Amino acid sequence: DTGVSQDPRHKITKRGQNVTFRCDPISEHNRLYWYRQTLGQGPEFLTYFQNEAQLEKSRLLSDRFSAERPKGSFSTLEIQRTEQGDSAMYLCASSPRQRSHNYGYTFGSGTRLTVV
Amino acid sequence: QQQVKQSPQSLIVQKGGISIINCAYENTAFDYFPWYQQFPGKGPALLIAIRPDVSEKKEGRFTISFNKSAKQFSLHIMDSQPGDSATYFCAASPGNTPLVFGKGTRLSVIA
Repeated sequence: DTGVSQDPRHKITKRGQNVTFRCDPISEHNRLYWYRQTLGQGPEFLTYFQNEAQLEKSRLLSDRFSAERPKGSFSTLEIQRTEQGDSAMYLCASSPRQRSHNYGYTFGSGTRLTVV
Repeated sequence: QQQVKQSPQSLIVQKGGISIINCAYENTAFDYFPWYQQFPGKGPALLIAIRPDVSEKKEGRFTISFNKSAKQFSLHIMDSQPGDSATYFCAASPGNTPLVFGKGTRLSVIA
């Protein structure tokens, strides 16, 4: 297992178009998280899954955003009718379900979205 | 609503010196406090973490100091090296819930 994979690494899209990102977590991790990071800011929580169940969505996640994790494996994040304000790095992370002393998230390298 | 306040925004340290980054929080339900390191073009990576039942944790050159009464915790990097130049984020969470991150500190270690 090579860690958390995200695809694509970069995406440039025109305003109003739909985009979809994919995340492949570490296979034995039950939990999968989506965060958004803008320049000079820390990651902001968007949503997370435990297996296939979406447990929480942030108020940052407008109706234009939807995330899925079919069969509890990979996840997709779709943004409909993109706006310039959606330009950011979208980070995916995974973790075991149970916290331990060395519990931590493993992040992917992110998908950088630019809306023009 | 920023639940974890991190300072300073940026830090320049001489090689071999000590880098100190601070975080403060309000939510007393927080019970897990990790620090992450991020290099350009990469996702954050866990550096070290602490629970509120201990006041200090050390791993190599990295130490977390935790002050529960003051609701503050800090990261100390001893013998700072140019390879430590990165952005550092504190984070916290209550129970087994998603982490809340600080805004980050950009550290530059100069020779």
